Amino acid sequence: GQQVMQIPQYQHVQEGEDFTTYCNSSTTLSNIQWYKQRPGGHPVFLIQLVKSGEVKKQKRLTFQFGEAKKNSSLHITATQTTDVGTYFCAARMDSSYKLIFGSGTRLLVRP
Amino acid sequence: DSGVTQTPKHLITATGQRVTLRCSPRSGDLSVYWYQQSLDQGLQFLIQYYNGEERAKGNILERFSAQQFPDLHSELNLSSLELGDSALYFCASSAYGTDTGELFFGEGSRLTVL
Repeated sequence: GQQVMQIPQYQHVQEGEDFTTYCNSSTTLSNIQWYKQRPGGHPVFLIQLVKSGEVKKQKRLTFQFGEAKKNSSLHITATQTTDVGTYFCAARMDSSYKLIFGSGTRLLVRP
Repeated sequence: DSGVTQTPKHLITATGQRVTLRCSPRSGDLSVYWYQQSLDQGLQFLIQYYNGEERAKGNILERFSAQQFPDLHSELNLSSLELGDSALYFCASSAYGTDTGELFFGEGSRLTVL
């Protein structure tokens, strides 16, 4: 079935270190979204990327969409304890209404 | 507060039983999605409705069914419950029924099957 692979599964960093999570698909994506789920919480939308090669920034977060629209990344610069949570990418494959979530990357930050 | 309301927040029941989870989308949103999240797992897409019509279906079990009513609220029915159905069930809404638009998630309904 349609899948979006996300790595790594876990990342444990020291506060101040950078963090990156990657999403990959074998098929072309219409667009890709990123969500954050805090422990015990619900997913919250962060951003949507639509164009090939698109790069968007939100303060310390940088989102990229690959040229072939098959992969994406989320990079956090100088992590803080407030960044703790699970980051999910979510994508619709071409001609599909299904929004498929990646398996998520759980970020833990040591103070 | 996302504006999406899910009830009940918690539900404990026995194997073989049937439960109904309810979702009220954000005001004005026409699209409702249902996801299942098992312990420390990802979000499994179950089904999507747009303005009362089923729009997309994921790996939803035959024991599960859903519908969206004219007032746009949605219900997810889970029957013949098994231990493995224990999970957090999220509803999300979106203004759009097409291939774009962010999802607003409710706080989830945590189902425990004993």
